Amino acid sequence: DTEVTQTPKHLVMGMTNKKSLKCEQHMGHRAMYWYKQKAKKPPELMFVYSYEKLSINESVPSRFSPECPNSSLLNLHLHALQPEDSALYLCASSQDWASYEQYFGPGTRLTVT
Amino acid sequence: GQQVMQIPQYQHVQEGEDFTTYCNSSTTLSNIQWYKQRPGGHPVFLIQLVKSGEVKKQKRLTFQFGEAKKNSSLHITATQTTDVGTYFCAGVDAGNMLTFGGGTRLMVKP
Repeated sequence: DTEVTQTPKHLVMGMTNKKSLKCEQHMGHRAMYWYKQKAKKPPELMFVYSYEKLSINESVPSRFSPECPNSSLLNLHLHALQPEDSALYLCASSQDWASYEQYFGPGTRLTVT
Repeated sequence: GQQVMQIPQYQHVQEGEDFTTYCNSSTTLSNIQWYKQRPGGHPVFLIQLVKSGEVKKQKRLTFQFGEAKKNSSLHITATQTTDVGTYFCAGVDAGNMLTFGGGTRLMVKP
C-alpha cells in the first residue's frame, strides 16, 4: 500500500470555526509532513514530524496546530483562520526525514470565508 | 537559506517536440528529487539523483545532476499530451532540508 489518504477533500470554514484535517499512511514511514500550496506555486513546508516528534515548524502561525497521535496518523487543527489561508493542504510521508522520496496525499482544498 | 530556482516557468510545446526544465540551487545539494503534479492533482515522485554527474532515464525522460551538485535538468523527448503538468525539482541540502523549486508548467498542444 503506497497510498497517503487525506480527509476531507474539500473544506469551507468561517474565520471563527475550528476544524481538523486528517492524514493517514500505512507504509511504515517515520517522517510525515504538512505542506501548504497556493495556486501555481510550489508546495511550502509547514511542519515535519520525525518518529512522531515535531522536528520542524517553519514559523507557522499558531492558528495552525499539528498533532501526530501515532506513526500512521497526522492531524492539522485549524482555528481562527484568515481568508489568505485558503489553499491546498498536502500531507506527505517518507521512509525517513528529507533524504527519501516523499509520497503525497491528494490534499484538502480549504476555503476560508 | 537555500534557494532553488527553476526555469522556465511555463513552456508550450507542440506534441512530439522536446522539452527541458532546468533547476539551480544556491547551495551544494546532497541529492535532488523531481516531482510531477498534474492539473488538479498532487505531486508525484519521479526520481532521485544523488551522485555528481549522475544521469538517469525513465522511458522518454532523462534526468541529470550537475558535476558540482548544484544544478539539475529534466529532458522529455517527443512530448505527449499525457506529459502535461507542472514539474518540480526539490533539492535536499546538507542539513536535510528539502526545498522545492518554483516549478515549470508544461502545456502540450495536440
